[in-house]
Amino acid sequence: LAKTTQPISMDSYEGQEVNITCSHNNIATNDYITWYQQFPSQGPRFIIQGYKTKVTNEVASLFIPADRKSSTLSLPRVSLSDTAVYYCLVGASSGGYQKVTFGTGTKLQVIP
Amino acid sequence: SAVISQKPSRDICQRGTSLTIQCQVDSQVTMMFWYRQQPGQSLTLIATANQGSEATYESGFVIDKFPISRPNLTFSTLTVSNMSPEDSSIYLCSVSPSGANVLTFGAGSRLTVL
Repeated sequence: LAKTTQPISMDSYEGQEVNITCSHNNIATNDYITWYQQFPSQGPRFIIQGYKTKVTNEVASLFIPADRKSSTLSLPRVSLSDTAVYYCLVGASSGGYQKVTFGTGTKLQVIP
Repeated sequence: SAVISQKPSRDICQRGTSLTIQCQVDSQVTMMFWYRQQPGQSLTLIATANQGSEATYESGFVIDKFPISRPNLTFSTLTVSNMSPEDSSIYLCSVSPSGANVLTFGAGSRLTVL
C-alpha cells in the first residue's frame, strides 16, 4: 500500500483558502486518492476522491498533477467549523472495497 | 450512504477484563472493517470481517486478543480481550458499501482501561 506524507499541522484564518498537500511517491496505477475529515469524537468522513487532474464537489477541490505523486486538497473560505484532522489516503478498489492505510493526517486549526 | 451505529460509545474498564463492541449497519454490506485509533494518533486497521468466514487480521493484531464475529451482513462485534491500559483507544467500525470506493465510519467506541 502506498505511503502518504502530509504536514502534521496547519493554521489558517477564517475566510482564507487552505491548501493541504499530500505526497504519495509510490502510488500504483490503479490507486485512487481519497481525503477524509475527522472531528474530535467522530469517525472520519469522506470529503473527496480523485484519480487524476481536478475534482470539485460542494465541499472541496482536489488537484492531482500528471505524475500523480502528490495531490492537493483545497478548502475554499474556511470557517471555524473546518477545524479538524484531514487524512490523505491512496488505495485501490478490490472486490468492491478499498483497503487503505491511514497516514498521520494534517491537523487544521482555523483561527478567528 | 450507510449509517453505522456503534455500542458502547464509551466505557471505562478494569485491567484484565474483556469488552465487546457492537457495530450495526443500516444496509447489507459484504465487508466490515475494524480500526483502532490510539490517543492523538491516526487510524490503524485491525481486521477485515466477512460474513460467514474468519476475519482477516493485520500485522500486529491476533484473533485471541481481538476476536471478531460477523453473523450476518449488517452486524459485527469486536472483543478486546484481557485488556491493559495500552488498549485504551477509540475503536471504529467501517464499511465500504457495495460498488463504492470509499469508507463510511461509525462514531467510534472510546475505551479507557484502568
